[in-house]
Amino acid sequence: EVQLVESGGGLVQPGGSLRLSCAGSGFTFTNYAMHWVRQAPGKGLEYVSAISSSGGSTYYANSVKGRFTISRDNSKNTLYLQMGSLRAEDMAVYYCARLRGNWYFDLWGRGTLVTVSS
Amino acid sequence: QSALTQPPSASGSPGQSVTISCTGTSSDVGGYNYVSWYQQHPGKAPKLMIYEVSKRPSGVPDRFSGSKSGNTASLTVSGLQAEDEADYYCISYTGSNNLIFGGGTKLTVL
Repeated sequence: EVQLVESGGGLVQPGGSLRLSCAGSGFTFTNYAMHWVRQAPGKGLEYVSAISSSGGSTYYANSVKGRFTISRDNSKNTLYLQMGSLRAEDMAVYYCARLRGNWYFDLWGRGTLVTVSS
Repeated sequence: QSALTQPPSASGSPGQSVTISCTGTSSDVGGYNYVSWYQQHPGKAPKLMIYEVSKRPSGVPDRFSGSKSGNTASLTVSGLQAEDEADYYCISYTGSNNLIFGGGTKLTVL
């Protein structure tokens, strides 16, 4: 089955760190650029970060630049998001999504919840 | 960079048609035919409904259609059904490997 499965979410204190993972299966992971998209409680979708298929290029929203690092291990079919200096406004469900060449997401994971609270 | 503008809400009765707009600029919606639409039910992941302005992935009912005029893209749902009640988001390419998201529209089936 073609799917993405996120993990690693949880409760973290402000200023803390967390690493999210997204495991891809049922498709050739290395062929696709991947994104992280988040959704704060009751809010809309927000772009977080992106990485090219090879991992050689990375992109970040201004709101997370310098605090989050996206990476991937194509040998493990896994995407990562290392999050640091976490703030209350980072609290959200984080989705990983597969990007098709003509700029649309055709596959999404179910999401993992990150709660930032003391 | 501001989000694409979508109406916060839209509604229609079963069997009716409803259109949701997504307004951007000539640098995003108006500049590229790379607008996509996503449906999200509460507690679920987004689902691709339309890509490249008007193309429908397999499995998406033909009641869903997309179009674009100038800087505004639109999603039309015809023959509304109860299961169409959800949030809908548009996303557009904006050049230089960037995407811009709409704020979302809550569709209510009356």
